Amino acid sequence: DAGVTQSPTHLIKTRGQQVTLRCSPKSGHDTVSWYQQALGQGPQFIFQYYEEEERQRGNFPDRFSGHQFPNYSSELNVNALLLGDSALYLCASSPTGTASYEQYFGPGTRLTVT
Amino acid sequence: AQSVTQLDSQVPVFEEAPVELRCNYSSSVSVYLFWYVQYPNQGLQLLLKYLSGSTLVKGINGFEAEFNKSQTSFHLRKPSVHISDTAEYFCAVSWAGGATNKLIFGTGTLLAVQP
Repeated sequence: DAGVTQSPTHLIKTRGQQVTLRCSPKSGHDTVSWYQQALGQGPQFIFQYYEEEERQRGNFPDRFSGHQFPNYSSELNVNALLLGDSALYLCASSPTGTASYEQYFGPGTRLTVT
Repeated sequence: AQSVTQLDSQVPVFEEAPVELRCNYSSSVSVYLFWYVQYPNQGLQLLLKYLSGSTLVKGINGFEAEFNKSQTSFHLRKPSVHISDTAEYFCAVSWAGGATNKLIFGTGTLLAVQP
């Protein structure tokens, strides 16, 4: 049973560029969350997708946007990259149901903005 | 608003010694509590969780944690650590009964096990 997968593993971009990160949830999971983990910090919640809609959003600017596809996979898009966007981006998935509060994390995508 | 405080940024300990990693949270509503571990260049792995019931929770790799509502704490313990336990440990909370299972994380504690 494959867990949460993310691509690419590493990415280097220049300030002002746009980037797209991808996530495939664990089998049987239909909810996807994205987190940003800056160096030396804990992960910060960006947003969560369920049924192809953004269900909740953290304190991130509109430059951060996402999408969820019918097969439950998800993309995170960041426009007009800033140096401060350099971080590890983590995707997490979970099944629906109020009893299922555990989130399963992928290995992350390391984004470096130069 | 909810918040999580991990008081120790780094905890050095000798192999086979006991360890406790501290976590305190702040919330005006009931919460669920989690401990995750992150090995170098990897994602997060769930160690254990408290949703309800017994306040002593046992997890993987010999770790356990105790939920103390009056102290608003959820400290992680292991009676005897191994070199392989060296990693970053994150405490996290989510809002019980919330619309989503969004997690709020602490800043992490680096457990450095020395031979």
